[in-house]
Amino acid sequence: QSALTQPASVSESPGQSITISCTGTSSDIGTYNLVSWYQLHPGKAPKLIIYDVSERPSGISNRFSGSKSGNTASLTISGLQAEDEAAYYCCSYAGSSTVIFGGGTKVTVL
Amino acid sequence: QLQLQESGPGLVKPSETLSLTCTVSGGSISSSNYYWDWIRQPPGKGLEWIGTIYYTGSTGSTYYSPSLESRVTIFIDTSKNQFSLKLNSVTAADTAIYYCARLVQDTDWYLDYWGQGTLVTVSS
Repeated sequence: QSALTQPASVSESPGQSITISCTGTSSDIGTYNLVSWYQLHPGKAPKLIIYDVSERPSGISNRFSGSKSGNTASLTISGLQAEDEAAYYCCSYAGSSTVIFGGGTKVTVL
Repeated sequence: QLQLQESGPGLVKPSETLSLTCTVSGGSISSSNYYWDWIRQPPGKGLEWIGTIYYTGSTGSTYYSPSLESRVTIFIDTSKNQFSLKLNSVTAADTAIYYCARLVQDTDWYLDYWGQGTLVTVSS
């Protein structure tokens, strides 16, 4: 099982939008609509921001949205804010009760 | 509000066993539809799923990452509302922040509550 592929970093100005890709295989993202995304701030508990490809948990801003096409899932953050500066990880169910994470993307708000 | 808190030694010697416990508060660890997971993050690297346990009324059903399966054991203590991780024969490559989390697993599959993580360093 290799990690899902994410860009190492993305930078954009406040108010703009960014999209983070997460590429897997037909054994994980391509087969299951069980992709989730997590936001990590240093020293804090990771936070779930998207589940089941495009669902937002209660309390998560609608500036965060998710989608999937084939073996690639995507997270879009619109109206970028300083508080969005963090690391973002995708995660997919990979069958046989296992999961696989992406390598993580560091988002910098310029 | 569910809370999870990792605890255990922050320093482990090479070849020894890493042992961590996750204490769950604000909810029961024996609730149905919830699994309990361990995830780690080596310094400068991404998240790595370690394994999961589901309370079945006895010792629990477990599933592990294929890359760690030979060295990992996860077990549950419902009397203390805790679940634990043991990782044998550790090396420097096992140095990481270790997180515990609750996995929602029904028709879904996601980790909705996480602990803050605990750093474990493997060094002599």
